[in-house]
Amino acid sequence: DQQVKQNSPSLSVQEGRISILNCDYTNSMFDYFLWYKKYPAEGPTFLISISSIKDKNEDGRFTVFLNKSAKHLSLHIVPSQPGDSAVYFCAASGHSNNNAGNMLTFGGGTRLMVKP
Amino acid sequence: GAVVSQHPSWVICKSGTSVKIECRSLDFQATTMFWYRQFPKQSLMLMATSNEGSKATYEQGVEKDKFLINHASLTLSTLTVTSAHPEDSSFYICSARDVTPWLAGGVDTQYFGPGTRLTVL
Repeated sequence: DQQVKQNSPSLSVQEGRISILNCDYTNSMFDYFLWYKKYPAEGPTFLISISSIKDKNEDGRFTVFLNKSAKHLSLHIVPSQPGDSAVYFCAASGHSNNNAGNMLTFGGGTRLMVKP
Repeated sequence: GAVVSQHPSWVICKSGTSVKIECRSLDFQATTMFWYRQFPKQSLMLMATSNEGSKATYEQGVEKDKFLINHASLTLSTLTVTSAHPEDSSFYICSARDVTPWLAGGVDTQYFGPGTRLTVL
């Protein structure tokens, strides 16, 4: 049973436009969400996170939105740049005092291609 | 920012041999480290949680006698693939949990190593 899902395996966007990557989760015990960027043959790089007490967190070109009632989060990248082309993973966890623990549960990833 | 290193970055070995992969947190202490495995075009799959000074916790379906994990210090965890077979060929990634932000009232974050490509002939 996949607790974190990224339903779009790939996304193609024109340079300068907005990229929107989506993620859905099922475990209501998750209270902390992260986005990672991954290039082939490299480890994931932490991008941005959001706690369940917030519905938006912004860092430069990256903004993460959280809709707890829908169990949905999204990553917005604007403006998109060719260097943003990579696989993006969303991940979810809880803290040690709940059933979700500190482990990260990853979605399947979305490959973003930003065309010049 | 927090840095996690892995060594080696790639290794090729013969079937039946053992391979050790090191994961180090370079600028923070990590009481908890995690080991992941990634097959081509698939997501990261958690193999085990490594806690400093205690036994690792393995995920269902991961053979603890095959994938030996040792977390001897606050900055080092090792994964040893014993009696490796071609089906063990994969990309192994570790991560380390930095609790410093959490202790300061924020939230902790996992930082990942660059990964180790294992090829078993």
